[in-house]
Amino acid sequence: NAGVTQTPKFRILKIGQSMTLQCAQDMNHNYMYWYRQDPGMGLKLIYYSVGAGITDKGEVPNGYNVSRSTTEDFPLRLELAAPSQTSVYFCASSNQGGNEQFFGPGTRLTVL
Amino acid sequence: GQQLNQSPQSMFIQEGEDVSMNCTSSSIFNTWLWYKQDPGEGPVLLIALYKAGELTSNGRLTAQFGITRKDSFLNISASIPSDVGIYFCAGQRRGDYKLSFGAGTTVTVRA
Repeated sequence: NAGVTQTPKFRILKIGQSMTLQCAQDMNHNYMYWYRQDPGMGLKLIYYSVGAGITDKGEVPNGYNVSRSTTEDFPLRLELAAPSQTSVYFCASSNQGGNEQFFGPGTRLTVL
Repeated sequence: GQQLNQSPQSMFIQEGEDVSMNCTSSSIFNTWLWYKQDPGEGPVLLIALYKAGELTSNGRLTAQFGITRKDSFLNISASIPSDVGIYFCAGQRRGDYKLSFGAGTTVTVRA
């Protein structure tokens, strides 16, 4: 099992550009999550999904969109990148009602 | 989600020392978890606690679920250099599919 995989590992965007951060898991987990981590801060939840076709907003959803067409994939879309979206983004999955979450290696995004 | 209050924010410890960190909340949680994050990596689950008063060990790590359900503690015994990293607590409320995270405790070990 590869676990939770994320691509790309690093990306630099210009203000106003768009991109999709990819996340996939091969553990057949129903629950998937997107977090952002800013320096010296904990993890803030952007969006989450409790199953294919179901998504919901987390604590900081503005400027992001998600979709969940399959159990395995949970992409995160940034439509109009802003410097405030410079962060490290982590995807996670769980099969236990969302508690024991397994994290991917992260995507480090810089918006200039 | 609600942020948890984690302390200390950082600590420098001598190799071989025992260390403790804790996490508190103003509301009740039904599950407490402790994660460790190495530089450039995603967080890795260390210990999960499901019952008030529960004490669980994982090697040199021991965590406790506070009896009030509003706090949790993590102890590391006999620190070694690979204990360096950021430790996060996380809590889950009943019926919620989300976790709330503390801001982390950064541990640096002096050899």
